[in-house]
Amino acid sequence: QVQLQESGPGLVKPSQTLSLTCTVSGGSISSGDYYWSWIRQPPGKGLEWIGYIYYSGSTYYNPSLKSRVTISVDTSKNQFSLKLSSVTAADTAVYYCARVRGAFDIWGQGTMVTVSS
Amino acid sequence: QSVLTQPPSVSAAPGQKVTISCSGSSSNIGNNYVSWYQQLPGTAPKLLIYDNNKRPSGIPDRFSGSKSGTSATLGITGLQTGDEADYYCGTWDSSLSASFGGGTKLTVL
Repeated sequence: QVQLQESGPGLVKPSQTLSLTCTVSGGSISSGDYYWSWIRQPPGKGLEWIGYIYYSGSTYYNPSLKSRVTISVDTSKNQFSLKLSSVTAADTAVYYCARVRGAFDIWGQGTMVTVSS
Repeated sequence: QSVLTQPPSVSAAPGQKVTISCSGSSSNIGNNYVSWYQQLPGTAPKLLIYDNNKRPSGIPDRFSGSKSGTSATLGITGLQTGDEADYYCGTWDSSLSASFGGGTKLTVL
């Protein structure tokens, strides 16, 4: 049973970089069958896709966030990570990692990140 | 502003049927598969439907999906109070970007 778990700071100061990690258990991130994605959800709002990565390191980002987003993968640790730079209050959200093959079929429980001084 | 348009809310009585629409364009729904997600209060989204009309293992056949042209529909029959949740459609576009609808809140009266 594949499971995903997000981890990282719950509070980030404005203008700094948000960093999160998603640990995959019960399956290998290097299997090649899936992409691995980040999605976020501001409080009381809908889902916003951030981007995804393949185990080889190929990435695709939401054009609206592309200039500030970096997604990377560490196959040795079975993890992938998100960095979002120059954050503002508008980046306050629950951040989810998810497995993708056409659809987002397995999600992490999500982690709340607040941007505030 | 979501690329995919869903009604903000729908409601129906227990045991009844409800449909939720998702409208897009030829650049997204029109040429790509649609998926649907259920988000119960305080929890992560859960995949309900993929490839327009397929159900993952464990999803009851009360949930169904369909697609026609640039629109898709989620159907739920035999409504239960436990179905009260937010429902999101999702798809891809030609640049391999994912999009979600704005979400529909289902109330079971």
